[in-house]
Amino acid sequence: DSGVTQTPKHLITATGQRVTLRCSPRSGDLSVYWYQQSLDQGLQFLIQYYNGEERAKGNILERFSAQQFPDLHSELNLSSLELGDSALYFCASSVAPVAGGNSPLHFGNGTRLTVT
Amino acid sequence: GNSVTQMEGPVTLSEEAFLTINCTYTATGYPSLFWYVQYPGEGLQLLLKATKADDKGSNKGFEATYRKETTSFHLEKGSVQVSDSAVYFCALSGRNTGNQFYFGTGTSLTVIP
Repeated sequence: DSGVTQTPKHLITATGQRVTLRCSPRSGDLSVYWYQQSLDQGLQFLIQYYNGEERAKGNILERFSAQQFPDLHSELNLSSLELGDSALYFCASSVAPVAGGNSPLHFGNGTRLTVT
Repeated sequence: GNSVTQMEGPVTLSEEAFLTINCTYTATGYPSLFWYVQYPGEGLQLLLKATKADDKGSNKGFEATYRKETTSFHLEKGSVQVSDSAVYFCALSGRNTGNQFYFGTGTSLTVIP
């Protein structure tokens, strides 16, 4: 058990809809990362927050947004959903503002999003 | 730029066989290198890491050595078990990557009894 909690485990929704994915980091971790895993694109970094502030941005679409709250949990909002957004969305946390050898990532079990 | 290249899968081995999963990387500077494992239905778990050249990371019978001269970090295990069936990801991170992680595409391993 990594200590990172993601909810819900599964989401099925229709195109054009909006969903919110939730992540609680490991106790003591201040950084939260969001990744998208799809069959054809592998693991893609979306965005990182550290202690409530956006720290780094990756390949995140404008239709997607995220935030980290004072209690350090984070939410990823996906709107105007398209079929191609179907994927596994992972949250990861680390203790430091920058991940690396001394601050590896710890992953949750993911949210599987299916857009029909 | 920064990138990680893993051998294509899937890999199927018999129990007790020797495993090698190749990983090479491109990066400026001296990144830390990692292997993560993803079991079915779960998130990625850190398997092992190495933070400088010639370091050997090891865990659960798996090993990988950071080879700067060949920019490689191949994963090995002497005798695989059915429970090792999973997807394995090589990754790098360091100051010159903006301290972000770069993951390979993953290699699926199936071990048959």
